[in-house]
Amino acid sequence: NAGVTQTPKFRILKIGQSMTLQCAQDMNHNYMYWYRQDPGMGLKLIYYSVGAGITDKGEVPNGYNVSRSTTEDFPLRLELAAPSQTSVYFCASSYRKGLGETQYFGPGTRLLVL
Amino acid sequence: RKEVEQDPGPFNVPEGATVAFNCTYSNSASQSFFWYRQDCRKEPKLLMSVYSSGNEDGRFTAQLNRASQYISLLIRDSKLSDSATYLCVVNPLYNTDKLIFGTGTRLQVFP
Repeated sequence: NAGVTQTPKFRILKIGQSMTLQCAQDMNHNYMYWYRQDPGMGLKLIYYSVGAGITDKGEVPNGYNVSRSTTEDFPLRLELAAPSQTSVYFCASSYRKGLGETQYFGPGTRLLVL
Repeated sequence: RKEVEQDPGPFNVPEGATVAFNCTYSNSASQSFFWYRQDCRKEPKLLMSVYSSGNEDGRFTAQLNRASQYISLLIRDSKLSDSATYLCVVNPLYNTDKLIFGTGTRLQVFP
């Protein structure tokens, strides 16, 4: 199993550009999450999904959109990039909710908005 | 008050030393607790869950103190490879779909 994969690894965007961060998992997990991690800060939840066709906002959803058309894929869309979106983005997945649930993370996408 | 608070460190310790980190949480109804490890420029990975009775995994021991609302991680016989950032993670009862991550405690083990 590849686990959770993310592409691209690194990207530079100009202000106002758009892009999609790709995330895929092959563990048949129902739950998927997008986080951002700024230097010296904890991970902040952007969006999450409890299954195909179901998404919900996290703590910091403004400026982002998601979709979940399949169990495997959970892309994150940035429509109008802003310098404040410079961050490291991690996608994660877990099998089910409940006590003791483990989240498995992808390797991250480093985004720089200039 | 932050939901999860950690001392950012860094904790600089020699090989073989014992080191302990604490993490406090604000929601007394929190049910699940974890320690994740994050290496520099890498993704977080689960180190261990924290059970009410405390648990041990080799050189690592995790404890939960509900009365004082903190969890701890003890590392014995530190190795160079233990150098990383340790994230305290809490699953609040009010919403079990989400985890709350602390900002992490950085550990640097030197020869």
